[in-house]
Amino acid sequence: GAVVSQHPSRVICKSGTSVKIECRSLDFQATTMFWYRQFPKQSLMLMATSNEGSKATYEQGVEKDKFLINHASLTLSTLTVTSAHPEDSSFYICSASGEGGYSNQPQHFGDGTRLSIL
Amino acid sequence: GESVGLHLPTLSVQEGDNSIINCAYSNSASDYFIWYKQESGKGPQFIIDIRSNMDKRQGQRVTVLLNKTVKHLSLQIAATQPGDSAVYFCAENGDQGGKLIFGQGTELSVKP
Repeated sequence: GAVVSQHPSRVICKSGTSVKIECRSLDFQATTMFWYRQFPKQSLMLMATSNEGSKATYEQGVEKDKFLINHASLTLSTLTVTSAHPEDSSFYICSASGEGGYSNQPQHFGDGTRLSIL
Repeated sequence: GESVGLHLPTLSVQEGDNSIINCAYSNSASDYFIWYKQESGKGPQFIIDIRSNMDKRQGQRVTVLLNKTVKHLSLQIAATQPGDSAVYFCAENGDQGGKLIFGQGTELSVKP
């Protein structure tokens, strides 16, 4: 149980392109989803918290107009990297938490999206 | 600022030996802790969790120990196998309302 699917697994595109990444909870309802960014050999950096039916909460330093998040249903959140540039190249990972995202429940992670901007 | 740190960034063990991965946390408000395993090119995989009302919890070949007095968390892996090779992250909930604070990670390498 608690399977999170992330798509696509890898994207290579030209600078200036917008890229959408999908995160789905397959066997549970995820009222809260989280988007992380991870650089090689480093830990996960939280970008934003996505709550179903409301605006995402962004961490300090993360541009909300650059990284658009939509959580339109209890099983799907999307992250769109708008007008992507080489410095946006990274490994993006989503996670989902059921039961209202209470602080004592584990987050379940997707397998990440490797984004490479040429 | 708040942080969850690890004593050893890399750990190399012989196959069949036991592994111990350590983690120090700084937020005394944290009452929930998780260990994740991340293999190359994949997302973190839940291993085991523990709440602050416990000091030990066991799973299959894994044991998590929590020492709240010194704010220390450890993951013990029994009879380590090559398939255990990965980066291991500890995480705490802090007072972040559902968010997790991740440690820097320890890379475990198992020698055959």
